[in-house]
Amino acid sequence: AQRVTQPEKLLSVFKGAPVELKCNYSYSGSPELFWYVQYSRQRLQLLLRHISRESIKGFTADLNKGETSFHLKKPFAQEEDSAMYYCALSRSGSARQLTFGSGTQLTVLP
Amino acid sequence: DAGVTQSPTHLIKTRGQQVTLRCSPKSGHDTVSWYQQALGQGPQFIFQYYEEEERQRGNFPDRFSGHQFPNYSSELNVNALLLGDSALYLCASSTTGRAEKLFFGSGTQLSVL
Repeated sequence: AQRVTQPEKLLSVFKGAPVELKCNYSYSGSPELFWYVQYSRQRLQLLLRHISRESIKGFTADLNKGETSFHLKKPFAQEEDSAMYYCALSRSGSARQLTFGSGTQLTVLP
Repeated sequence: DAGVTQSPTHLIKTRGQQVTLRCSPKSGHDTVSWYQQALGQGPQFIFQYYEEEERQRGNFPDRFSGHQFPNYSSELNVNALLLGDSALYLCASSTTGRAEKLFFGSGTQLSVL
């Protein structure tokens, strides 16, 4: 069975500081990893996925199969980045069935 | 495009009752997935519907059932409600060709008293 762990429920950083949201997973096969974000009073939405290797809103995430991690990073945090972030995993070929972590609430302080 | 719409937004039921939640997918989407999100937790996959059939199911009892209609809209039914069923129920839609991108609705907050 697959599992996603986000060890930090709350994370606060100052504006302009680097931010890293941690995500570790356990899965015996070849997973697909995603980051979803929920801004205040908005719906849960896809931020980025590892397979596309893209940078969205300055965020990047690299899949490290050796460490089974998919940490989300941004070099310079902005106040508008404050949100709840969820890491999610799907089995390859079954991308609609996601296993989510419990989320990290990021607060960027002015 | 209103995106994924869910109704009702809030619902209060008592133990033992039955509830039906509804979801209309984003225009052009043919697949609907349902998730349960308990307070302080991430969403948990319930099941997925495509071509009016349940295609995948998570670790939920048979009290949870669903349906998809020809217009791709979907219902989630929960029988014999338990206090532990209190949660936010999220609907997500996607297309068969873009399975990796889910669009979520705002959810239905179910409270079981």
